[in-house]
Amino acid sequence: DTEVTQTPKHLVMGMTNKKSLKCEQHMGHRAMYWYKQKAKKPPELMFVYSYEKLSINESVPSRFSPECPNSSLLNLHLHALQPEDSALYLCASSQVGQFLYGYTFGSGTRLTVV
Amino acid sequence: DAKTTQPNSMESNEEEPVHLPCNHSTISGTDYIHWYRQLPSQGPEYVIHGLTSNVNNRMASLAIAEDRKSSTLILHRATLRDAAVYYCILLYSGGGADGLTFGKGTHLIIQP
Repeated sequence: DTEVTQTPKHLVMGMTNKKSLKCEQHMGHRAMYWYKQKAKKPPELMFVYSYEKLSINESVPSRFSPECPNSSLLNLHLHALQPEDSALYLCASSQVGQFLYGYTFGSGTRLTVV
Repeated sequence: DAKTTQPNSMESNEEEPVHLPCNHSTISGTDYIHWYRQLPSQGPEYVIHGLTSNVNNRMASLAIAEDRKSSTLILHRATLRDAAVYYCILLYSGGGADGLTFGKGTHLIIQP
């Protein structure tokens, strides 16, 4: 299995809702990442997990809460989002020594906050 | 972090070779050169990477200048499916899991 699977593919949520994005990989990668991508912009790094521990948080607002329950699964919990948080949310995974190998990205979850 | 500079957009014809340039004049000896592409409505996709020598794989070739201050991604025979944004990214070999820092990339347009 050489894929990163993200669910759901599309999500519409109200500003008072709580929802979660899910990401799964079975390549044995021990680093997983969340990115946010606005339309016609490059992806921006949000969080990095290395060996199931949060190692990088790029000053993301607390309404985004990541979780890594095990080495194959990464969640992003969403609460009280704003319309400007509408974007494509991408998950990726890699070997920890990622300079020698490529990152594998999922197809993303397109989130709309209404 | 060492930065890269790429043209905003390039246009090529189908079935012709495409040379996508990337400048990285502040590259250090421990930086690997990675290329990714993002097709419309998809996540980024790994293309190729190298350190000093030219590299080939089934998708593309990577030509690295002798002084490593620039590199060129070569698509040998472009198809319409190669229309995407191509990102040139430097990865520090001394890091662990640092994440990719994307620049604006080059928007490649392929004409039939």
